[in-house]
Amino acid sequence: GAGVSQSPRYKVAKRGQDVALRCDPISGHVSLFWYQQALGQGPEFLTYFQNEAQLDKSGLPSDRFFAERPEGSVSTLKIQRTQQEDSAVYLCASSLGYTSGGTYEQYFGPGTRLTVT
Amino acid sequence: AQTVTQSQPEMSVQEAETVTLSCTYDTSESDYYLFWYKQPPSRQMILVIRQEAYKQQNATENRFSVNFQKAAKSFSLKISDSQLGDAAMYFCAYRSSQGMRFGAGTRLTVKP
Repeated sequence: GAGVSQSPRYKVAKRGQDVALRCDPISGHVSLFWYQQALGQGPEFLTYFQNEAQLDKSGLPSDRFFAERPEGSVSTLKIQRTQQEDSAVYLCASSLGYTSGGTYEQYFGPGTRLTVT
Repeated sequence: AQTVTQSQPEMSVQEAETVTLSCTYDTSESDYYLFWYKQPPSRQMILVIRQEAYKQQNATENRFSVNFQKAAKSFSLKISDSQLGDAAMYFCAYRSSQGMRFGAGTRLTVKP
């Protein structure tokens, strides 16, 4: 596809359920980022992949959050035992280059809006 | 840690007029990049303009320009000849080797 896609676009989960959010980056993009955007706030960094390697996961709020990118393309963000505070829009972005150096633009997907009831 | 502050939660501008959105950041690094992103309602975030910290010249992209004051750690966005399609949330972002940090955003309303 021409851009970053995410699925599902909307997800409602009951508290305690596990969810999996998918990101399809732009083909050939080395870097992939996950962000959490609470209502009325700016995106908060969660984790970063360079190809299949997860180089930074310092933003993951708890050990209930897990991300993977096994083949260096599609990525999945998994949230176990969801809590109400996990309700947010989860944004994925991909970039042609690497994090350090350069001004490689991050292209964002439409996001997945997660509501935990 | 780097922080990005947008002190204007909401701004309003008349169509065809000019508006300036403020952004300040805190960092001890000398090499970094600054960005303004636009997020229309229920739509994807898109890049408006970028600035490399080592460049003294302010970046310009058509109707969008920045006023980058490195010593003051200020990075404001000026939108000239505002259009109805400019209405959106605008996020200032700072990027270094430690990743991207966003401000809380400014909601811009354009009045016809």
